[in-house]
Amino acid sequence: DARVTQTPRHKVTEMGQEVTMRCQPILGHNTVFWYRQTMMQGLELLAYFRNRAPLDDSGMPKDRFSAEMPDATLATLKIQPSEPRDSAVYFCASGPQGPYEQYFGPGTRLTVT
Amino acid sequence: QKEVEQNSGPLSVPEGAIASLNCTYSDRGSQSFFWYRQYSGKSPELIMSIYSNGDKEDGRFTAQLNKASQYVSLLIRDSQPSDSATYLCAVKMNRDDKIIFGKGTRLHILP
Repeated sequence: DARVTQTPRHKVTEMGQEVTMRCQPILGHNTVFWYRQTMMQGLELLAYFRNRAPLDDSGMPKDRFSAEMPDATLATLKIQPSEPRDSAVYFCASGPQGPYEQYFGPGTRLTVT
Repeated sequence: QKEVEQNSGPLSVPEGAIASLNCTYSDRGSQSFFWYRQYSGKSPELIMSIYSNGDKEDGRFTAQLNKASQYVSLLIRDSQPSDSATYLCAVKMNRDDKIIFGKGTRLHILP
């Protein structure tokens, strides 16, 4: 049963600390998406990749967020420095190109105090 | 105008009835449309995709698309308490490859 995996599942950190979230997409999927979900804003697209190349990261605060895909099995989202307003659930999703269907990981619940 | 709009609900439907969820979108050229179900504390789960005008049925679920009206809906027949969740409409924008989600409609099936 192929699934997207994300680590860590929960993260509590203090303001100013660096946070790194990892995602393993489903094998064979060539698009990877990072989303942030809050009650107020809903599901917001932060960045997405196709064939490991970043296609759009306009949803990310550029001064503190960065997203990379060092290889086909790993996507990372980094926040440095973290702020309390970054508290949210961060989802990674992957999908096959064409149908544009996305399959979500379990999410990382981030709390910045 | 928001790119993808949904009524936030909650929408309360008696068990066994038909639940009707609606979504409108702004990009007239959009070609791909999706419905996701999200249980509280869980991640979104793809339940339907639709690409052509008309109806698409899968079990108790029917997706309906009307591109002229820029409207997509999801019908759930014989609603069950386990259908209680938030339903997210997602649209692939024609101008780029971005998939934009609505904020979701909370559905509550009354036993």
